[in-house]
Amino acid sequence: EVQLVESGGGVVRPGGSLRLSCAASGFTFDDYGMSWVRQAPGKGLEWVSGINWNGGSTGYADSVKGRFTISRDNAKNSLYLQMNSLRAEDTALYHCARGLVPAAMTFDIWGQGTMVTVSS
Amino acid sequence: SYVLTQPPSVSVAPGQTARITCGGNNIGSKSVHWYQQKPGQAPVLVVYDDSDRPSGIPERFSGSNSGNTATLTISRVEAGDEADYYCQVWDSSSDHYVFGTGTKVTVL
Repeated sequence: EVQLVESGGGVVRPGGSLRLSCAASGFTFDDYGMSWVRQAPGKGLEWVSGINWNGGSTGYADSVKGRFTISRDNAKNSLYLQMNSLRAEDTALYHCARGLVPAAMTFDIWGQGTMVTVSS
Repeated sequence: SYVLTQPPSVSVAPGQTARITCGGNNIGSKSVHWYQQKPGQAPVLVVYDDSDRPSGIPERFSGSNSGNTATLTISRVEAGDEADYYCQVWDSSSDHYVFGTGTKVTVL
């Protein structure tokens, strides 16, 4: 079964850091670009960051650029998001999502998400 | 940045047709993708590249895209179609994925 499982969420104070992980299974992980997409409580979907199949190309939403870093370990079938200088507005459910091949312009598989709460 | 605008809500009776619009500047020149999200669940891709359906998605879901508006059409609506729906494009000018504002579909 194709599956993405996120972990690493929690409650953190403003200015703090958190590292999210996404474990992939059921498919050849290094054939796919991956992204993180978040959803604030009661709000819509927002793309956060993406990475190509080998980690050689990354992209970030303006709202997180310079604070978040996406990475992947193909040997471990895992995707990561290092989040620094967290703000209240970063509070959201963070999903990892697989890019639909070949162009990866959309996302065909999503994880259930891990919740990040930034609060003092 | 590129903006996608959807109506906040659409109501439809069972068996009827629901049409959800997604407005964007010259969106007809882009590939549009649609997701269904039920409460407490992850989004599910229902239409990609304007009008293609992933395997397992019923033929009742269809899409079109022209000019400044893309449309997701749900035919013969069922109670199980009640969900939030989001459109999405890739904005090549910013190298960003962009989501629409979302539409809540209510089955009367």
